[in-house]
Amino acid sequence: GAVVSQHPSRVICKSGTSVKIECRSLDFQATTMFWYRQFPKKSLMLMATSNEGSKATYEQGVEKDKFLINHASLTLSTLTVTSAHPEDSSFYICSAREIQRRAEAFFGQGTRLTVV
Amino acid sequence: GESVGLHLPTLSVQEGDNSIINCAYSNSASDYFIWYKQESGKGPQFIIDIRSNMDKRQGQRVTVLLNKTVKHLSLQIAATQPGDSAVYFCAETEGNQFYFGTGTSLTVIP
Repeated sequence: GAVVSQHPSRVICKSGTSVKIECRSLDFQATTMFWYRQFPKKSLMLMATSNEGSKATYEQGVEKDKFLINHASLTLSTLTVTSAHPEDSSFYICSAREIQRRAEAFFGQGTRLTVV
Repeated sequence: GESVGLHLPTLSVQEGDNSIINCAYSNSASDYFIWYKQESGKGPQFIIDIRSNMDKRQGQRVTVLLNKTVKHLSLQIAATQPGDSAVYFCAETEGNQFYFGTGTSLTVIP
């Protein structure tokens, strides 16, 4: 099946610094990538939808200046958490949908972000 | 920090029993539905899908039922095993829209 690689899997950073998370579709081209945030024992919360070559669409309540999303190519989307604070600590997950062939979305392994 | 998001419903079943996980969706125009399994600390994994022109689809030990009249989706797991313990999410799609349900935490009791 299609593979989505997310990197890093874990990151610890200091308050005030920025962290970049990468999401790559390894064996298919993804027109759309999704970024989710998940707290322990809670559901996935959609943060934003990114389409290759255009600006991301953010869900209500998600700060676009805080969570910068770039979808520069059909195989790579990045999420940058800027000026991170401890409350940004969470599990971030990306997913990607393949062009045309399938409606299914494939998920990355997730990134555990801890801000200290 | 303060946690947000919906609390997951829980379901506990005895090993060997069948499990039924339910999901209500909201968009009557959704045309494709997927069940995902998420183990602790990992991303969701595809289990089974179904298109809106079907009402039942079977996989290995899993069956998905779709009732479009009441906008309800269910996942049945036969002979539940300890390895089935995880959180299960349904997802509905319409075009480029892709939305997850709340999720259900399944615990299999040995």
